[in-house]
Amino acid sequence: DTGVSQDPRHKITKRGQNVTFRCDPISEHNRLYWYRQTLGQGPEFLTYFQNEAQLEKSRLLSDRFSAERPKGSFSTLEIQRTEQGDSAMYLCASSVDSSNQPQHFGDGTRLSIL
Amino acid sequence: LAKTTQPISMDSYEGQEVNITCSHNNIATNDYITWYQQFPSQGPRFIIQGYKTKVTNEVASLFIPADRKSSTLSLPRVSLSDTAVYYCLVGDMYAYSTLTFGKGTMLLVSP
Repeated sequence: DTGVSQDPRHKITKRGQNVTFRCDPISEHNRLYWYRQTLGQGPEFLTYFQNEAQLEKSRLLSDRFSAERPKGSFSTLEIQRTEQGDSAMYLCASSVDSSNQPQHFGDGTRLSIL
Repeated sequence: LAKTTQPISMDSYEGQEVNITCSHNNIATNDYITWYQQFPSQGPRFIIQGYKTKVTNEVASLFIPADRKSSTLSLPRVSLSDTAVYYCLVGDMYAYSTLTFGKGTMLLVSP
């Protein structure tokens, strides 16, 4: 169990650019989640995958955000035309497909928009 | 999902027992109670989870009264490295559950 891995750990970009983050969940974890966390706040849910199917999206996930999980393994989160308000820590979590199983989080990608 | 209320911050000293209480008055029958710990620049780390009565692991204990409207995370003999934000969450664990985090409790442990 190598844990949830996220890449990159930090991303600095100019407003208007596109960025893509990657998450590698714990192997054999069917469920994968994306969260966003801003300073002083708890993480906020963005979207959820069961294997390769994206089953839920938060209202926080605007049209500029898209997430994929091809083949039910790693996942990517893309933000198009970044805005200042997108600056945050983007966290990925995974869990097994069973009741009462906790989510295991990666250490996130910190996005800074200049 | 049931909302939770917990203190914004707590202070303690090394070696003391720390109890963080969380209120969840609207907890549903299928809801479990889960606590996470988060250090700066890291993702939340699962600490403990329970449904009723008492749960204990190598890190902490979780006390849940019969009405389940509150829960208490107990950290025995804290050290400086326990300084972190602690989140209490409730959610239906029989289906997939999107976790709803509040602002958590910032625990500061001093020498």
